[in-house]
Amino acid sequence: KNQVEQSPQSLIILEGKNCTLQCNYTVSPFSNLRWYKQDTGRGPVSLTIMTFSENTKSNGRYTATLDADTKQSSLHITASQLSDSASYICVVSDAYGNNRLAFGKGNQVVVIP
Amino acid sequence: EPEVTQTPSHQVTQMGQEVILRCVPISNHLYFYWYRQILGQKVEFLVSFYNNEISEKSEIFDDQFSVERPDGSNFTLKIRSTKLEDSAMYFCASASESTDTQYFGPGTRLTVL
Repeated sequence: KNQVEQSPQSLIILEGKNCTLQCNYTVSPFSNLRWYKQDTGRGPVSLTIMTFSENTKSNGRYTATLDADTKQSSLHITASQLSDSASYICVVSDAYGNNRLAFGKGNQVVVIP
Repeated sequence: EPEVTQTPSHQVTQMGQEVILRCVPISNHLYFYWYRQILGQKVEFLVSFYNNEISEKSEIFDDQFSVERPDGSNFTLKIRSTKLEDSAMYFCASASESTDTQYFGPGTRLTVL
């Protein structure tokens, strides 16, 4: 069964600081990995999407990395802002098609002033 | 910027009643999805839809569930006889290609009493 595990489950960081979120997956064969941001009570919003050949991708202050050999990904948030408080979800798709996405439980980030 | 819309935002129903959740995907998208998220848990795949038929469905999507694209714009999820455990946030998503980013709607919160 395809699994996506994220850590830490939650963290609190001071505004302006950086943080890194981790994602490990067992999805095989791998197609792509996405990071979504989900505000409370809202739908997920795509941040990055990476295929097998991509090691890093940035979207503003968000930088995602991917190591397809170790099946690990990280999402780095630089100079955090209060609006970064959200759940960050790692989502992995297998190569059989993108119809089914495997979701992680999310990293709950709280940014405090 | 085009976005996925969902109605209603909240739906309260009695156990055993039928509910229809509505979604308007982004207009030029061809791939449509339903997900659900039980409070405090991760997002779960329900079903994908392409070319007027179901592409794939999860074990959650049993005979009580059905999807339909009744016209060129709407995409609906019907639950025939709701159960208490159907209470969740239901998200619709759409994509232009099967390997492309899926854009999520804001969700419908379903409460079954």
